Amino acid sequence: ETGVTQTPRHLVMGMTNKKSLKCEQHLGHNAMYWYKQSAKKPLELMFVYSLEERVENNSVPSRFSPECPNSSHLFLHLHTLQPEDSALYLCASSQERGSKKLFFGSGTQLSVL
Amino acid sequence: SQQGEEDPQALSIQEGENATMNCSYKTSINNLQWYRQNSGRGLVHLILIRSNEREKHSGRLRVTLDTSKKSSSLLITASRAADTASYFCATVSGNTPLVFGKGTRLSVIA
Repeated sequence: ETGVTQTPRHLVMGMTNKKSLKCEQHLGHNAMYWYKQSAKKPLELMFVYSLEERVENNSVPSRFSPECPNSSHLFLHLHTLQPEDSALYLCASSQERGSKKLFFGSGTQLSVL
Repeated sequence: SQQGEEDPQALSIQEGENATMNCSYKTSINNLQWYRQNSGRGLVHLILIRSNEREKHSGRLRVTLDTSKKSSSLLITASRAADTASYFCATVSGNTPLVFGKGTRLSVIA
C-alpha cells in the first residue's frame, strides 16, 4: 500500500461516453501527477498539480480534463476518447520541493472501444 | 525531451544470478531514482542517488552514478523469481517533474 488510491481499477468505455478517474493520496503531499503508460512506450507525463494549481500540461488533447479540488484529490475527466487512448493511467504524488520521490497508485487500465 | 534511457530493454537470467541494468541521461541532474513496476501495476520507488553520490546500497540493490558519463547502473544481487518486473530510471533536474525512461524488462527464471 503506497498511500495513493486510484479508482476504478479497470474501465471500459465507448467513444461517446464520459467517465472520470479518481485519485486520492493520504501522504500529506502537495503535488499530484497524471501519467499515461501505453504498451511499449515510455511513461508520459500528462498533468502536474502543485499546491492545487496546474503547473504542467504536456500537450494533452482536450478530451482529457484534469481537476484538483484539494491537495489530496485528483480527477481525470474523460470524454469522446479514441481507441488509441487505451492505456494504463497512473496517478502519483510527491512533495513539491526536495527529492520529488513519487508515490504511485495502482493505476486504471482503460480500454476504449 | 526524454531523459533516462535504460539498457538493455529486456534481460532474462536464472534465479541466483546478478542482474545489471544501465541508465543514461542527457543533462545535469539533482538526483536519479530507480523504480520497479510489476505488470499492470503502479511504479514503486526503490532507491535514490544524489548527484554528489557515487554509490548507494539498499538490501540486494546497488546503484552507481557516474555524472561525468551521465550514466547510472542498478545491480540486483542473488536474484529471485519475485524480482521479475520492469525497472525504470528517472531523473530530477531543477524543479521539473521526474522524466522516465522506457524501462528494462527483467525476467528471473526459477
